[in-house]
Amino acid sequence: KNQVEQSPQSLIILEGKNCTLQCNYTVSPFSNLRWYKQDTGRGPVSLTIMTFSENTKSNGRYTATLDADTKQSSLHITASQLSDSASYICVVTGSGGSYIPTFGRGTSLIVHP
Amino acid sequence: DAGITQSPRHKVTETGTPVTLRCHQTENHRYMYWYRQDPGHGLRLIHYSYGVKDTDKGEVSDGYSVSRSKTEDFLLTLESATSSQTSVYFCAISGQGAFKDTGELFFGEGSRLTVL
Repeated sequence: KNQVEQSPQSLIILEGKNCTLQCNYTVSPFSNLRWYKQDTGRGPVSLTIMTFSENTKSNGRYTATLDADTKQSSLHITASQLSDSASYICVVTGSGGSYIPTFGRGTSLIVHP
Repeated sequence: DAGITQSPRHKVTETGTPVTLRCHQTENHRYMYWYRQDPGHGLRLIHYSYGVKDTDKGEVSDGYSVSRSKTEDFLLTLESATSSQTSVYFCAISGQGAFKDTGELFFGEGSRLTVL
C-alpha cells in the first residue's frame, strides 16, 4: 500500500530561525512529489514539485530536496516568518496505473515572534 | 487563484438528514476530487471524477455518493448524515492525470459540516 509519512507531527520555532520538515514515502513507481502549504481555514496550495530527476528546488525561502533512492524528501524553511505558520503537507503521485496522489498527514508549524 | 467555489461553506444538520455539497469550477479541468480533513488523519479521498458521469471511489467512500453531470460541477451527497461525517470537506481540481503531467491539485476553500 502506498504510504507517505511526515515528521515531525508539529513544530514550534522562533521567528527568524530555520527549520526542516521530513517526508518518507513508499509510493512506487514514483512520478512526483509536491509540498503543499495549508493556512488555517484555507485549502492547501502547492509550494514545490519534485520529479525523479530533481534533487533540489527552491521557491523563495522554501527549499525542497528529494532522494529518490531512499524515498525521502525534506522541506527547509529559511529565516522563518510569522506567515509561515501553517500545515505543510507532502503529497506523492505514482506513475503506474493509479495517478491518485497519496497524502501525508502534514506537519503543523507554529512560528512565534 | 483557480476558480473553485464550494457551497455551502458552513452547514449544521441533524443525524439522518441528507446533505449535498457542491463544487463549481470555472477552469474546465478534467479531474475533480472530494476530500475530507479531520484532525490526526490529514486529507482523505472520498470520491473523484475523471470526466462527466465518470466517477470512482476513494479510500473513505462509505456513506457518500457523487455526481458529475457537467464538467464544472461535482456534487457530494451524504445520503443520511451521521455524526462521524462531521468534518471539513475540500473539493480539488486538476487539469491532467493519468500517465502524464504532474497534476497539481487546486483546492477550494472548504465546507465545514457539523452533524448533530
